[in-house]
Amino acid sequence: KAGVTQTPRYLIKTRGQQVTLSCSPISGHRSVSWYQQTPGQGLQFLFEYFSETQRNKGNFPGRFSGRQFSNSRSEMNVSTLELGDSALYLCASTQQGLGEAFFGQGTRLTVV
Amino acid sequence: AQTVTQSQPEMSVQEAETVTLSCTYDTSESDYYLFWYKQPPSRQMILVIRQEAYKQQNATENRFSVNFQKAAKSFSLKISDSQLGDAAMYFCAMWEMRFGAGTRLTVKP
Repeated sequence: KAGVTQTPRYLIKTRGQQVTLSCSPISGHRSVSWYQQTPGQGLQFLFEYFSETQRNKGNFPGRFSGRQFSNSRSEMNVSTLELGDSALYLCASTQQGLGEAFFGQGTRLTVV
Repeated sequence: AQTVTQSQPEMSVQEAETVTLSCTYDTSESDYYLFWYKQPPSRQMILVIRQEAYKQQNATENRFSVNFQKAAKSFSLKISDSQLGDAAMYFCAMWEMRFGAGTRLTVKP
């Protein structure tokens, strides 16, 4: 069974640009959550999608958005990038009812 | 709202010794899941152990065990016979996947 796949693994963008990250969950998993991890900040919850609907949202500005497709794949978009958006972005998928989250290897975003 | 608190930013243990990592949480739910995840330098998040709140028995996975105190909303992780490969960041989490700030565990040979 394939794990959670995040693409790309590494990304360098310029301030003001926008970026789209992709996450393919484990087959059969309908929930996808996104997290931002920065040094000293732990994992900050961005949002969760379940069956193409945003079910939960963290405390991030509107520049951060996401969506989920009918095959459960999810994308996260960050517009008007700022230097502070440099982070590791982790995606996790869960099988509803079991709770355990399986994580991808993350996308390392660097904003210069 | 759910919150998870890890009050130990860093911990250190001698190889083969035992260490306990602390975690407290807050929730208004009566049934929920609690987790400990490990993040080694590779950054891959790995599930260490899971506890279901309705189960009174503490979960155990080989050298890893938890002390779950539901009334106190406490969920600590005990690592016995620590190994060099246990060195990592450890995150406490609860459904719906809210994480603590993490504890960096160093294992000394």
